[in-house]
Amino acid sequence: QVRLQQSGPGLVKPSQTLSLTCTVSGVSMNNGGYYWSWIRQHPAKGLECIGYIYNSGSTSYNPSLKSRVTISIDTSNNQFSLNLTSVTAADTAVYYCARLQLGVVRGGSWFDPWGQGTLVIVSS
Amino acid sequence: SSELTQDPAVSVALGQTVRITCRGDSIRSHYASWTQQKPGQAPILVIYAKNNRPSGIPDRFSGSSSGNTASLTITEAQADDEADYYCNSRDSSANHVIFGGGTKLTVL
Repeated sequence: QVRLQQSGPGLVKPSQTLSLTCTVSGVSMNNGGYYWSWIRQHPAKGLECIGYIYNSGSTSYNPSLKSRVTISIDTSNNQFSLNLTSVTAADTAVYYCARLQLGVVRGGSWFDPWGQGTLVIVSS
Repeated sequence: SSELTQDPAVSVALGQTVRITCRGDSIRSHYASWTQQKPGQAPILVIYAKNNRPSGIPDRFSGSSSGNTASLTITEAQADDEADYYCNSRDSSANHVIFGGGTKLTVL
């Protein structure tokens, strides 16, 4: 069974960098075939895909966040990470990691499974 | 367009059938998937690539697609189905993934 366990601080000061890590168990990230993603959810709002990474290190980022986001991968430790720089109160949200599969036929995309979520509050 | 539009709220009587829709130009080219989220919980996948169910999801859940609209149908709705449902798809460029705004399902 594949599981994703998130870690990282729940409180970040404005203008600083938000950093979260997702540790994957039950599958080797070296195997390929999947992407590894970060999604966030503002309070009482919908889901927003921040971006994703393949085990080769290839990334895709949400255009609205691209200038501030870096997603990295450490296949030796079966982990991937999110860095979001210059945070403001608008970045306060629950952050999720999830495995992403991109289908070949008609380009389907689906997230499964998800991490437990981390509420990150940006406040001084 | 790179947006997916969902009705904010839908209700269904216990035991009846409900359809939740998701509209967007990208659905003409890319299959949609559906995610269920209950209050205070992480989302879980219920339908992927138009009409495939992950292991453990009841066959009361099904998906379909026509033109620019994807649909999630729940038959014999149960109280436990009360949740927020989000569709997602690739965007028009196929380089990113987008979500609909979500539909809050109430089971009466």
